[in-house]
Parts: sequence; structure tokens; C-alpha cells
Amino acid sequence: KNQVEQSPQSLIILEGKNCTLQCNYTVSPFSNLRWYKQDTGRGPVSLTIMTFSENTKSNGRYTATLDADTKQSSLHITASQLSDSASYICVVRGGGYNKLIFGAGTRLAVHP
Amino acid sequence: DAGVIQSPRHEVTEMGQEVTLRCKPISGHDYLFWYRQTMMRGLELLIYFNNNVPIDDSGMPEDRFSAKMPNASFSTLKIQPSEPRDSAVYFCASSFQGNQPQHFGDGTRLSIL
Repeated sequence: KNQVEQSPQSLIILEGKNCTLQCNYTVSPFSNLRWYKQDTGRGPVSLTIMTFSENTKSNGRYTATLDADTKQSSLHITASQLSDSASYICVVRGGGYNKLIFGAGTRLAVHP
Repeated sequence: DAGVIQSPRHEVTEMGQEVTLRCKPISGHDYLFWYRQTMMRGLELLIYFNNNVPIDDSGMPEDRFSAKMPNASFSTLKIQPSEPRDSAVYFCASSFQGNQPQHFGDGTRLSIL
């Protein structure tokens, strides 16, 4: 079954600290993986997309990694800011019909 | 540039009533998506259109839900009759080509009493 699982479900960190969010998937065949950030009361915003051949991609303080062999991705946030407080959603495109499969998200709270 | 525009932002109505959600995609985008988001189930794709034509509606929960895209700049998602379990945030998103990043609206928060 094509699934995307994210961990942790929620996370609290202090401002300035780093954190890493995990995304494991069982989607096959795999097309791409995208990380979205969703602020409270807003729609998701794309942070980065990873294709099969990409291992690491950065977008400012956000760095995404992909290990296609183990079917794992991570999103690392460096020097967290209060504005990083949001839900982070991992979305994998793939499966027999090349559909989008959504993770349940990780809710991150950055405290001063 | 204007993003994806959804209306209304909030809707509260009684069960049994018809609900119509509206979406204006980003100009030039040829894909339009409707999603539902709840705490229990997260984001779920309901239906998507390509060049105004419905391509995949397998996520539409039941016949009470219908979506139309009469032209490239407007789409509706209708629920008739509405039920309390339809309460959720409904998002519309658009993209240029199917594999490009989707741009989401700010959603319609729907409460069915």
C-alpha cells in the first residue's frame, strides 16, 4: 500500500535551535517528493521538491535530503525562528497512477 | 501577483443546506485541485482539472459532492445536501503543468451544524 508517514507528529524547540523532520514512504514507483510548509489558517506553500536523482536540496535555512534506497526523506531547519512555527507536510508523487500521497504532517512550535 | 483566491473564507450553515465553494486559480495555470483538510485525515485530494476538464475525481467522497470548472478562471465545489461530517477546511490549488509546485489558496473553513 502506498503510504507516507511523518515523524514526529509534533515538536517543540527553542528559537535558534536546529531540528530535523522525518518522512518515510512506501510509494512505488516513485516520481518525486515535496515538502510543504503550512502556517496556521493558510494554505500549504511548497518549500522544495526532490527527484529520484537528488540527495540534498536547500532553500535558505531549510535543507531536504532524500535516500531513494531506504525511501526516507528529512527536512532540516537550521537556526530556527519563531516564524518557522507551522505544520510541515511531506507529499510523494507516485504509485501506479502517479498520484499525490500526503503525509499527516509534523506540527512544529518554535518558542522564544 | 494575485494568488489563488477562494471564497468565502468561512461558512457556517445547517445540515441539509447546499454549500458552494468558489475558487479563482492563478492566471495561466492549467491545473486546478480541490482538497479537504481535517485533523483526523490530513489533506485529501478530492478532484483535479486540467484545462477545465475533470481528470480524476476518485477522491470525491460521495455523490453529494460535485465540482465544475466552467472556464479557466473559475471553479466551484458544491455539497448538496451538506452533513456535519463535511465540516473541514477546503483548499483550492493551481499549478502550471501537473508536476510543478501547487499554489494553494487560504482555504474555506466550513462548519456544518
